[in-house]
Amino acid sequence: DAKTTQPPSMDCAEGRAANLPCNHSTISGNEYVYWYRQIHSQGPQYIIHGLKNNETNEMASLIITEDRKSSTLILPHATLRDTAVYYCIVTATNAGKSTFGDGTTLTVKP
Amino acid sequence: DGGITQSPKYLFRKEGQNVTLSCEQNLNHDAMYWYRQDPGQGLRLIYYSQIVNDFQKGDIAEGYSVSREKKESFPLTVTSAQKNPTAFYLCASSINSGGRHNEQFFGPGTRLTVL
Repeated sequence: DAKTTQPPSMDCAEGRAANLPCNHSTISGNEYVYWYRQIHSQGPQYIIHGLKNNETNEMASLIITEDRKSSTLILPHATLRDTAVYYCIVTATNAGKSTFGDGTTLTVKP
Repeated sequence: DGGITQSPKYLFRKEGQNVTLSCEQNLNHDAMYWYRQDPGQGLRLIYYSQIVNDFQKGDIAEGYSVSREKKESFPLTVTSAQKNPTAFYLCASSINSGGRHNEQFFGPGTRLTVL
C-alpha cells in the first residue's frame, strides 16, 4: 500500500468548513483513497472513498488532485461532534490489507 | 441489526496468561481484520483473513495467533510471547468483493490490560 502523510493536528471553528489534506505521492493506478474517522475510544468509522473523481456523500466531500498525489477531505459545516482523528489511507480494492498512519486530530471549537 | 461485535469491552489478565478476544460479524463479509492501537497512535495491522480457513500476518503478528473456521468469526489470541500486550484491540470486516467498495466496518474494540 502507498504511504500517506497527514498533518498531526488541525483546528476548525464550529460552522465553518474543515479541509483536511492528505499526501499520497506514491499511489498506484489501482489504489483508492479512503477516509475514516475515530472518535475517542471508539472503532473508526468509514467516511468516503474515491479513485480519481471527486466524490460527495451525506458526510463529506473528497477532492482528489488530477495527478492523484494528494487529496482533501471537506466537512462543509463542522460541528463539535466532528472532533475526532481522521485517517487517510490508500489501498487496492481487494488488497487484503490497509495501512493506517497516525491521522490528523481535528478539533472543532465553538 | 447488522454489525460487528467484540467482547468483552474491557479485559484484565495476569502477565504470562494467554487470552482470546472475540470478534463476530453478521454482515456476510468475506474479509476480517485485527488491529492494535496504543495511546495516541494509529492502528497497526496484526492479522487479516480474506476467506474462511485462510489468514495472513500483518505488520505486527509476533505474539498473536488467529483462526478463521467460520465466515462470521475471527478470534484473536494474545499469547504470553507478546511483550507488551496492553492495548486497544479493534476488529473490522469488509466485503472484499474485488469491486470498488471495500470499506472496513469496525467493532467497538476491546481494551486489554495485562497486570
